[in-house]
Amino acid sequence: QKEVEQDPGPLSVPEGAIVSLNCTYSNSAFQYFMWYRQYSRKGPELLMYTYSSGNKEDGRFTAQVDKSSKYISLFIRDSQPSDSATYLCAMSAGGYNKLIFGAGTRLAVHP
Amino acid sequence: EAGVVQSPRYKIIEKKQPVAFWCNPISGHNTLYWYRQNLGQGPELLIRYENEEAVDDSQLPKDRFSAERLKGVDSTLKIQPAELGDSAVYLCASSSDNEQYFGPGTRLTVT
Repeated sequence: QKEVEQDPGPLSVPEGAIVSLNCTYSNSAFQYFMWYRQYSRKGPELLMYTYSSGNKEDGRFTAQVDKSSKYISLFIRDSQPSDSATYLCAMSAGGYNKLIFGAGTRLAVHP
Repeated sequence: EAGVVQSPRYKIIEKKQPVAFWCNPISGHNTLYWYRQNLGQGPELLIRYENEEAVDDSQLPKDRFSAERLKGVDSTLKIQPAELGDSAVYLCASSSDNEQYFGPGTRLTVT
């Protein structure tokens, strides 16, 4: 069993939809949680990060961490075709240096 | 500010041949990472450098992989000899604090 599980999708939604992306994990020591976006033929770029539990909002993006359930989510409101990419969750037990990534979820937002 | 530069972007070699990848991190970033990303998977850390020192190489297959970071700036990752299973995207990232910045990767195909 992998430490971080993420549904690979693909997920296809119409423009303007609310998108929910999720990861589950097994290591209770994870404290740092991140979401990366990766466009085709590009490297991942950091979207959001949270420490421990709670919610964090940045524009159309909201990250949620539920440590009791070992479950994290990324919500995208008013999705746009430019949001079409692979979304990777990543987490770490000790700082930002040792990241364990999920497999990524492919998202397609169609006009 | 220039991002992480990697070369070559694409490389096709026959099995048992050697191959090398080069990375130039963002100026001033002391920490450099090499990741391998298999198709449909998230990046997996191979090695992390703090300046010239490899501080985490536990996931580097040392029988065929080697890396160096001379003068604490550029880095080279080498595979010798390459195997079919080494086909993947090799990502370089650098950081100065909490965020890792990724390069576009080198896509290696071993035939």
